[in-house]
Amino acid sequence: AQSVTQLDSQVPVFEEAPVELRCNYSSSVSVYLFWYVQYPNQGLQLLLKYLSGSTLVESINGFEAEFNKSQTSFHLRKPSVHISDTAEYFCAVRRSYSGGSNYKLTFGKGTLLTVNP
Amino acid sequence: NAGVTQTPKFRVLKTGQSMTLLCAQDMNHEYMYWYRQDPGMGLRLIHYSVGEGTTAKGEVPDGYNVSRLKKQNFLLGLESAAPSQTSVYFCASGLDRGNTEAFFGQGTRLTVV
Repeated sequence: AQSVTQLDSQVPVFEEAPVELRCNYSSSVSVYLFWYVQYPNQGLQLLLKYLSGSTLVESINGFEAEFNKSQTSFHLRKPSVHISDTAEYFCAVRRSYSGGSNYKLTFGKGTLLTVNP
Repeated sequence: NAGVTQTPKFRVLKTGQSMTLLCAQDMNHEYMYWYRQDPGMGLRLIHYSVGEGTTAKGEVPDGYNVSRLKKQNFLLGLESAAPSQTSVYFCASGLDRGNTEAFFGQGTRLTVV
């Protein structure tokens, strides 16, 4: 079984401030990790993912996330946020091999990031 | 590029009515999912399918049925709608590999009065 915990349901910040959205996961097997973003009244879209290799992964719009295996975390960060980053962010995991089970995607409950001027 | 298409986008039902939500994907994905999204509850998996002709229950399957008769379509049915089923419903699809992401539709906003 696998689960994802997003520690903050809401994070309000001012424009140009740094932000960190926290994600911890639990799994009995090796997993891949994803961050999705949902802008108002839209579906979810992939922001970035960790598969293997470097533990720091980056998105095209300045977000980065660091995989920490010992702490089972995959926190999302941005050094300077914009008003347009206001959205809900979801952390998700998917097992890395089938092993008789399936590749069901498991989400956290989401963190609403609100960037204020 | 259509991706994942959900119909309808909005619907208002009376309690006890039935309806079917259609999800169609054109990416030849094996996996398809139905989620509901409610304030403070995140995304909760209703049912999912790992291939044509197969379905499985998720976290909150009660009151819903699904069918995957064709690989590209995944239908979600409400036999007798209840106000508790007022929600935004999202369909997603993905490949049969753990290192790939899911692709989401734009959602269906359902209100049961």
